[in-house]
Amino acid sequence: GQNIDQPTEMTATEGAIVQINCTYQTSGFNGLFWYQQHAGEAPTFLSYNVLDGLEEKGRFSSFLSRSKGYSYLLLKELQMKDSASYLCAVKGTGGFKTIFGAGTRLFVKA
Amino acid sequence: DTAVSQTPKYLVTQMGNDKSIKCEQNLGHDTMYWYKQDSKKFLKIMFSYNNKELIINETVPNRFSPKSPDKAHLNLHINSLELGDSAVYFCASSRLGAEGEKLFFGSGTQLSVL
Repeated sequence: GQNIDQPTEMTATEGAIVQINCTYQTSGFNGLFWYQQHAGEAPTFLSYNVLDGLEEKGRFSSFLSRSKGYSYLLLKELQMKDSASYLCAVKGTGGFKTIFGAGTRLFVKA
Repeated sequence: DTAVSQTPKYLVTQMGNDKSIKCEQNLGHDTMYWYKQDSKKFLKIMFSYNNKELIINETVPNRFSPKSPDKAHLNLHINSLELGDSAVYFCASSRLGAEGEKLFFGSGTQLSVL
């Protein structure tokens, strides 16, 4: 079967660092994505990992361990505008299907 | 210019009606998708077309019928609407080889079936 798990909600303080974890079990693996979705808006692409290791993009970094079926999204210097849902998604092999986790709602407080 | 645009943004209708949602992308992408996001915010793939050919057809009632007149357009027609069809429907597109074929989403259509 295919399963993507991530925490339902997290709360963090402005200026802090937060790590959102994702574990997955899928039929084959062809990359892992993180998307950000603000309430009432469309998801937008944040990061893509296909090899093990850390990818850094400004305040956001994403890590992948394929052997452990594990990824995390690291957000540094949190801002109020980072309050959103963060969706972990995995692409399997043999097709164009990207499967999404249920998302982690992040609340950033002052 | 909006990259992936879908209309309408809101759709309120009665049970039993038939409705359509339209989607267009001006990114030159080869692949287009329909995703459904339910009240628990779970985003589930419904259909995918690559160059007008259906390549993904998940377990979706046959009341839902996608149509792709060309690779820039993917429409979704829903017959005999039911209460459980209420959700936000997102159109998306991607290009082969571009960052794992990351998805570009439209702004969504909030469908409410009364």
